[in-house]
Amino acid sequence: GAVVSQHPSWVICKSGTSVKIECRSLDFQATTMFWYRQFPKQSLMLMATSNEGSKATYEQGVEKDKFLINHASLTLSTLTVTSAHPEDSSFYICSARDPARETQYFGPGTRLLVL
Amino acid sequence: QQPVQSPQAVILREGEDAVINCSSSKALYSVHWYRQKHGEAPVFLMILLKGGEQKGHEKISASFNEKKQQSSLYLTASQLSYSGTYFCGTEIIQGAQKLVFGQGTRLTINP
Repeated sequence: GAVVSQHPSWVICKSGTSVKIECRSLDFQATTMFWYRQFPKQSLMLMATSNEGSKATYEQGVEKDKFLINHASLTLSTLTVTSAHPEDSSFYICSARDPARETQYFGPGTRLLVL
Repeated sequence: QQPVQSPQAVILREGEDAVINCSSSKALYSVHWYRQKHGEAPVFLMILLKGGEQKGHEKISASFNEKKQQSSLYLTASQLSYSGTYFCGTEIIQGAQKLVFGQGTRLTINP
């Protein structure tokens, strides 16, 4: 199956700092990647759609200046949580769409804890 | 709009069967099924495209009823490893690419 990596898997940071999360598709080229946020025992909430070479499309209610997304290549997208606060603590998961299979494959996720 | 999954939770004994349903208020192009274990990311199970198909492996299969705008996931002779939360993700427009996920169905398999 398709492989998507995400780094780091765990982040603990102080309030006010910025955190960068990387998402890579390892065995296919993904023109589109997605960033999700998941709270305990809840569903996957789409934050934004990241397209290679263009600006990300954010879902309603998601602050684009706080969650910066860059999709620099067909295999890499990054999410930067700027000036993180405790309420930003969550499980962040990326997915990459394999155009050949018309489906998304998820990375292992990043747990962010802001103190 | 978020699809509705039912049931919200189910507890089975090993070897029993389960059906998880996913219903949408909008016409669907595709339905994607994932399983997520505690503390891990969702794992892709299968995709069903518009056309009313049914597919799957030996013990995990799914159907897609385009007219009813719903999909069902069938788990037969369940194994302990089937435990987890199952999510359906729906794609409304072909090419839209983004998926809207249901609230999840928590499946617990006991020995």
